[in-house]
Amino acid sequence: SQQGEEDPQALSIQEGENATMNCSYKTSINNLQWYRQNSGRGLVHLILIRSNEREKHSGRLRVTLDTSKKSSSLLITASRAADTASYFCATVQYNNNDMRFGAGTRLTVKP
Amino acid sequence: EAQVTQNPRYLITVTGKKLTVTCSQNMNHEYMSWYRQDPGLGLRQIYYSMNVEVTDKGDVPEGYKVSRKEKRNFPLILESPSPNQTSLYFCASRTRVGETQYFGPGTRLLVL
Repeated sequence: SQQGEEDPQALSIQEGENATMNCSYKTSINNLQWYRQNSGRGLVHLILIRSNEREKHSGRLRVTLDTSKKSSSLLITASRAADTASYFCATVQYNNNDMRFGAGTRLTVKP
Repeated sequence: EAQVTQNPRYLITVTGKKLTVTCSQNMNHEYMSWYRQDPGLGLRQIYYSMNVEVTDKGDVPEGYKVSRKEKRNFPLILESPSPNQTSLYFCASRTRVGETQYFGPGTRLLVL
């Protein structure tokens, strides 16, 4: 069964705008990861945030984690057309090999 | 170059004809997994392996088999494919539990 659920399912913005995607999950986690998938291709790891962290940055990416609300957000600043892709959150529970993925957010950045 | 490779990338087959999708990683990773991706359902884990000769079921193992005879290889076997196994399949590997996962390019399977 899915653990993470992304919101919104689809997002369309103009180049230069910021894009925010949210992920909610159900059970306690060890860490949460965000992945990107270009159409029909393999997923690429973007960022990992551990349960004791609240915020992480990587280039134009900013990820927050609120364990009390069991939610995370991914912010892409100054978006580019090349950011068009699907974005997935994945949760990893303690002492568990399972990495559970949500259904993803489809981001379209218009030039 | 560190990578996970899968073959074939595209496959059309008929119901009941056994097939194998190969997966290989060159990063000496202990953990390997197989996922299937279907529209609106995200990625669902089929099987995973924590080391050589150690495999376990994921969320959707029915109709699939795996083996892990060598650390680098983790083939997915469909003994008698059915149309409901039409999907996009991904192999992935990582060093240990909970760490970054590296994905293969995917295998698109159509079962007629």
